[in-house]
Amino acid sequence: GAGVSQSPSNKVTEKGKDVELRCDPISGHTALYWYRQSLGQGLEFLIYFQGNSAPDKSGLPSDRFSAERTGGSVSTLTIQRTQQEDSAVYLCASSSTWAGNQPQHFGDGTRLSIL
Amino acid sequence: GENVEQHPSTLSVQEGDSAVIKCTYSDSASNYFPWYKQELGKRPQLIIDIRSNVGEKKDQRIAVTLNKTAKHFSLHITETQPEDSAVYFCAASNGGKLIFGQGTELSVKP
Repeated sequence: GAGVSQSPSNKVTEKGKDVELRCDPISGHTALYWYRQSLGQGLEFLIYFQGNSAPDKSGLPSDRFSAERTGGSVSTLTIQRTQQEDSAVYLCASSSTWAGNQPQHFGDGTRLSIL
Repeated sequence: GENVEQHPSTLSVQEGDSAVIKCTYSDSASNYFPWYKQELGKRPQLIIDIRSNVGEKKDQRIAVTLNKTAKHFSLHITETQPEDSAVYFCAASNGGKLIFGQGTELSVKP
């Protein structure tokens, strides 16, 4: 596609439910990144993929968070047993290669609200 | 790990004036420094970036400078316009993930 696509754009769910967030990177981009942005805050790194492998998961806040990428394209971020502190905008970005120094292009994000 | 500090947190200028935002980083291995502009409710958009083998880069009204010795880099916007009003984020990377500063809310008053 022309840009990074994320779905859903908004998600409201009850505390304790599981949620899945989807990211479709720019066609041909091999690197994919997940970030989280809390209200009025900066962007916090979660995890990134080189192809289908995740060499850096250091930003995942807890074992309730997991992510996968299949076919070197679409990625899914899953949050189990959601808590109110999980409320944030989850942003996905992609870059042409996994090597450093390549521009990362962001999607519009998924705004997650936990009631 | 890398830590990026950004100042000021808010900046108000008159239209036509210049704006400068400064960032410092902690990891001397960082070698890529992008700047993003984020308007309210929108995605972060890359406006300029610089790599560690370059000291300065300019694109029309926007310029970025990098001082590797002091581990700081700055964004300069000249002849500011109301449409420059947004939150600006700096970031640093040594491969893979970006570590972001906390953002600067720039307001350009007509």
